Amino acid sequence: AQSVTQLDSHVSVSEGTPVLLRCNYSSSYSPSLFWYVQHPNKGLQLLLKYTSAATLVKGINGFEAEFKKSETSFHLTKPSAHMSDAAEYFCVVSLYSGGGADGLTFGKGTHLIIQP
Amino acid sequence: DGGITQSPKYLFRKEGQNVTLSCEQNLNHDAMYWYRQDPGQGLRLIYYSQIVNDFQKGDIAEGYSVSREKKESFPLTVTSAQKNPTAFYLCASNGVGETQYFGPGTRLLVL
Repeated sequence: AQSVTQLDSHVSVSEGTPVLLRCNYSSSYSPSLFWYVQHPNKGLQLLLKYTSAATLVKGINGFEAEFKKSETSFHLTKPSAHMSDAAEYFCVVSLYSGGGADGLTFGKGTHLIIQP
Repeated sequence: DGGITQSPKYLFRKEGQNVTLSCEQNLNHDAMYWYRQDPGQGLRLIYYSQIVNDFQKGDIAEGYSVSREKKESFPLTVTSAQKNPTAFYLCASNGVGETQYFGPGTRLLVL
């Protein structure tokens, strides 16, 4: 069985300050982990993924995430927030490197608010 | 321009009515998925299909039906048995060993 917990339902930061979105996971196997972003009334866009290669993963738009097995965490960070980063972010765990089949488990999402 | 298209963007359903949501992809992906998204919730899997003419129930299949007659198409029907259909519906697809890519979604509302 696998599960994902996003520790904050809402995060608010000022433009230009760092962003931290927290995610913890539980999996019986070595998982693949993903972060997706969703802007209002849009589909999900892949930000980055971890599939047992380098533990620090760089994604699009300046985001990165670090896989920490000892802490079962996969937190998403960005050094400097931009207004366009305001969106819903989903942490996702999968048994499969492709994230396919029926092994994809979604967190409930973190709503990122950027203050001007 | 490759991708996943969903139509319509908004759909209204009357009581007792079946409605069908369209999902088309030109990515040559074998696998396709339907998810339901409710406010404050993550995505929940309704149905998925790994190959043409075959599909499997996900976590919340009751009140929904699908078909997969063509590789590029995976329509979802919301039947009258689905008592709480108001939600945002997302279609996704992926190739073998690849990450899932998502369509823009259809918002279903009940009149």
